[in-house]
Amino acid sequence: ETGVTQTPRHLVMGMTNKKSLKCEQHLGHNAMYWYKQSAKKPLELMFVYNFKEQTENNSVPSRFSPECPNSSHLFLHLHTLQPEDSALYLCASSQEIQTLAGTDTQYFGPGTRLTVL
Amino acid sequence: LAKTTQPISMDSYEGQEVNITCSHNNIATNDYITWYQQFPSQGPRFIIQGYKTKVTNEVASLFIPADRKSSTLSLPRVSLSDTAVYYCLVGDIGTGANNLFFGTGTRLTVIP
Repeated sequence: ETGVTQTPRHLVMGMTNKKSLKCEQHLGHNAMYWYKQSAKKPLELMFVYNFKEQTENNSVPSRFSPECPNSSHLFLHLHTLQPEDSALYLCASSQEIQTLAGTDTQYFGPGTRLTVL
Repeated sequence: LAKTTQPISMDSYEGQEVNITCSHNNIATNDYITWYQQFPSQGPRFIIQGYKTKVTNEVASLFIPADRKSSTLSLPRVSLSDTAVYYCLVGDIGTGANNLFFGTGTRLTVIP
């Protein structure tokens, strides 16, 4: 019964393509997050937005470009990706900005499985 | 930063109680302990959170000893649908979002 949706669920793209991932939360939350999860690796935080303002950029390469037009929507624009960028990209939201270990739960979307050829 | 250590995998039969222990020797005074569950190709889902002693909800129990250097997630009477990866997280709610260690988790397999 997740209130966070992500599209597309699966994406295959070439290294020269430009694509965008979309996340929408229907929970009235103020903070949104992008995570990357590679096979057999820990979850990695990429970006954090609070009230549409970016508050964290966790040393993410510039080929990943986030956009947060409002508190309900979050995009991740992709261009000139590398095969090692293939992973599950997860969006999450929470009422207030905080870490995953905070007292306010983060709600995750189902993720977009990205494959870069 | 309180790094966590969990067993990589565990197997259990249906109907049994499962206990997954997480070590966090460097836990700080302000740190909370949080557990998430993740199914394949899905985002993590919050299970339970605690600071000390015991916490119980409709899904699980969390046992935290007095020294807080470890914690145990207890799943009563597991079913096949509990097969997932379980992550233990430790951190301060006031720290920056990049000061959080999300480990490799424990892969629980429930056997019929």
